[in-house]
Amino acid sequence: SYALTQSPSVSVAPGETARITCGGSSIGSYRVHWYQQKPGQAPVLVLFDDSDRPSGIPERFSGSNSGNTATLTIDRVEAGDEADYYCQVWHTSGPPNWVFGGGTQLTVL
Amino acid sequence: QVTLRESGPALVKPTETLTLTCTVSGFSLRTSGVSVSWIRQPPGKALEWLARIDWDDDEYYSTSLRTRLTISKDTSKNQVVLTMTNMDPVDTGTYYCARTPSDGDTWFDPWGQGSLVTVSS
Repeated sequence: SYALTQSPSVSVAPGETARITCGGSSIGSYRVHWYQQKPGQAPVLVLFDDSDRPSGIPERFSGSNSGNTATLTIDRVEAGDEADYYCQVWHTSGPPNWVFGGGTQLTVL
Repeated sequence: QVTLRESGPALVKPTETLTLTCTVSGFSLRTSGVSVSWIRQPPGKALEWLARIDWDDDEYYSTSLRTRLTISKDTSKNQVVLTMTNMDPVDTGTYYCARTPSDGDTWFDPWGQGSLVTVSS
């Protein structure tokens, strides 16, 4: 089965840039989506189709996807960005399967 | 405004069957291209997709759990129901329902607030 790998944690200071990666075999050939989950809350979509932002998501959130790595970049990190972030793809080799990464905890120092 | 709300028992015993209901508003389960999925999250762990039902009643299941899962919908009640048989303590977690807006979309937005299910005797 297809697996997505995320680093367990990333720490950045306020105002700096956070980069959260999602690794997977030829992930560049898939459309990657990113979710933000704050403690005790449901996930919220922050990027879809690699780099598109839903309405209401700040421009500070951007994404890229190539080769075996997709990246969520958060510019000018704020305290309110502290959360778990999950990547997700729709994998179609075999039965359709919606796959999530293991999540990355972003800590704002 | 599109919303989804999960409901169901907070506690189930091992070997019992879990039935969860997702009540949607702000959109119709009849709308072409719409689908609703169930996704779960054990405490402190990652998200896991479980099942999906499309507007035209196509169903998809997690390969690892398909023998235990059934997804269905009642369009007249705006509800999607998930049943999971033979519950085990490892099935403890928060169960979410989420919408995929239209054909060709592969993401989930929005999500319900989640329903915490504990499996214990």
